[in-house]
Amino acid sequence: RKEVEQDPGPFNVPEGATVAFNCTYSNSASQSFFWYRQDCRKEPKLLMSVYSSGNEDGRFTAQLNRASQYISLLIRDSKLSDSATYLCAVNVRGSYIPTFGRGTSLIVHP
Amino acid sequence: EAGVAQSPRYKIIEKRQSVAFWCNPISGHATLYWYQQILGQGPKLLIQFQNNGVVDDSQLPKDRFSAERLKGVDSTLKIQPAKLEDSAVYLCASSLEGLQSTDTQYFGPGTRLTVL
Repeated sequence: RKEVEQDPGPFNVPEGATVAFNCTYSNSASQSFFWYRQDCRKEPKLLMSVYSSGNEDGRFTAQLNRASQYISLLIRDSKLSDSATYLCAVNVRGSYIPTFGRGTSLIVHP
Repeated sequence: EAGVAQSPRYKIIEKRQSVAFWCNPISGHATLYWYQQILGQGPKLLIQFQNNGVVDDSQLPKDRFSAERLKGVDSTLKIQPAKLEDSAVYLCASSLEGLQSTDTQYFGPGTRLTVL
């Protein structure tokens, strides 16, 4: 089993839709969790960290489920500009090295 | 604030040739990372430096890859000799300290390498 797994998609949704991605991790000692956004042929950029209590930033909500070992990203009211690949990254406790998933591709169409 | 700089942006070489990539991190950032991102995959860490010391290079193919950060600022990553499977984007990232797992990493634009 891979350390960090994501459904590659693509998720094809209309503007205004709500879409959610999951990212599962295999190491129960994982401590820090992040969502990155990567546009086509660009570098990854941090979208948000994921906190135990869950956190929200505008239309984006991140959740952590330690019991089932996954994190999720919810995007409400999708915009065309949300089209990108969303990468999750996980740090194991005591490690400074993040492990990235392969990313989930989102396509928002008119 | 200037971001992470990388050069060249693109490189095409033939297999068995050598290639080098350069990275200049954000000013004041102690930690520097080199990642390899193959098409359709997430970034894979190759090596992490804390100032000019290596923190982790467990996933660096040391028979052909080498990296250095001699003065604790700029870094170079070299591949010698290159193989077809080295075709990828090589991303450099930096973070302020890197000692805490919540430290934010900032990525450079990457170098897209094609090995023919």
